[in-house]
Amino acid sequence: AQSVTQLGSHVSVSEGALVLLRCNYSSSVPPYLFWYVQYPNQGLQLLLKYTSAATLVKGINGFEAEFKKSETSFHLTKPSAHMSDAAEYFCAVTRSGSARQLTFGSGTQLTVLP
Amino acid sequence: GAVVSQHPSWVICKSGTSVKIECRSLDFQATTMFWYRQFPKQSLMLMATSNEGSKATYEQGVEKDKFLINHASLTLSTLTVTSAHPEDSSFYICSTNQGDQPQHFGDGTRLSIL
Repeated sequence: AQSVTQLGSHVSVSEGALVLLRCNYSSSVPPYLFWYVQYPNQGLQLLLKYTSAATLVKGINGFEAEFKKSETSFHLTKPSAHMSDAAEYFCAVTRSGSARQLTFGSGTQLTVLP
Repeated sequence: GAVVSQHPSWVICKSGTSVKIECRSLDFQATTMFWYRQFPKQSLMLMATSNEGSKATYEQGVEKDKFLINHASLTLSTLTVTSAHPEDSSFYICSTNQGDQPQHFGDGTRLSIL
């Protein structure tokens, strides 16, 4: 079975500060990992994905994530937070035996303070 | 533009009513669609996998007679919540993808049962 754990259900940063959202995965097979963002009452938008190519993945809106097998981590970062980054962020992993069914972490609510 | 269209975005109805939610793939033929449920401040939980031309696959604990799924065409899957009760109030989201590409999500349907 595959799973992801997101540490910290709420993260607050000041505008312009570094954003770090943590995700650790558990998988018996090489995983495909994703970060999605959700704005209130909306669906999910893909930020970036890891599919066993480069370990440092760059996504949209200035976000990036690094796949670290030794730490089983896939943390999401952004050098400088913007007010518009305030949203819910979900880390997800593909389920064993399927490249399409996603298992989501519990989510991290990011608040950006002025 | 949107790849997946979900309708309606918001529905309020009385207890005992059946509610149909539509999920359309706009850019490609979707042989498989996924239905998720999200409670407030929680993550997405996969409810079922909708397969075009065949029966849906339901996750453990999801009542198939309660949540009827029909995938009659390659671009449309519907989820019908039958005899809805207040505990069925939730945010329902569909997704689909093409090949090994990441999932595209609909904007979700907020269901409120009075």
